[in-house]
Amino acid sequence: DIQMTQSPSSLSASVGDRVTITCRASQGISNYVAWFQQKPGKAPKSLIYAASSLQGGVPSRFSGSGSGTDFTLTINTLQPEDFATYYCQQYNSHPFTFGPGTRVDIK
Amino acid sequence: QLQLQESGPGLVKPSETLSLSCTVSGVSISSGSHYWGWIRQPPGKRPEWLGSVFYGGNTYYDPALISRATISVDTSKNLFSLKLNSVTTADTAVYYCVRQTSGMVIDYWGQGTLVTVSS
Repeated sequence: DIQMTQSPSSLSASVGDRVTITCRASQGISNYVAWFQQKPGKAPKSLIYAASSLQGGVPSRFSGSGSGTDFTLTINTLQPEDFATYYCQQYNSHPFTFGPGTRVDIK
Repeated sequence: QLQLQESGPGLVKPSETLSLSCTVSGVSISSGSHYWGWIRQPPGKRPEWLGSVFYGGNTYYDPALISRATISVDTSKNLFSLKLNSVTTADTAVYYCVRQTSGMVIDYWGQGTLVTVSS
């Protein structure tokens, strides 16, 4: 199975900050990475696929990059509604696996 | 507007079978080139992909669950289902149904349903 790791595991930030989350795959997965946002008690929401393509309706302050084994999710100008946990996921090969999550909370 | 809604028992006894359905509204389950999948999330942990089915019959499973899991489609009712047999307390989780593109990208999630395995 492909293992996904994320760093940091949590971070504190203020509204207006720029936040970057890193995801690493245990082997090369081209650009087959997605990012999800999850708020407490809610289903995850799909943000990004193919490492850098935004799902419909996702604000442009979210962006993704990377290829191979290293990927990043960047949130520019953090908004109050962005405080949540973020997961990366690889869909290069079965079983599709998720990272452990990065919790973004208010400083 | 596509909507996915999970349904099924919230409590299952150990060694019994967990059965969930996902009713799809807003689109026909057999109309396009999408896969329909199940993902679970144990309390406080990361999501886990369980498997996906294409209405035409192709099914993929997490190899760790392949001997216990069955995912099927009922096009007449526009729903798909998950059966997981011989459950243990480790199967306690929120179970989500999802839609995936032909490239396996998850684009829609159901709201999730908590299933507790306990005697």
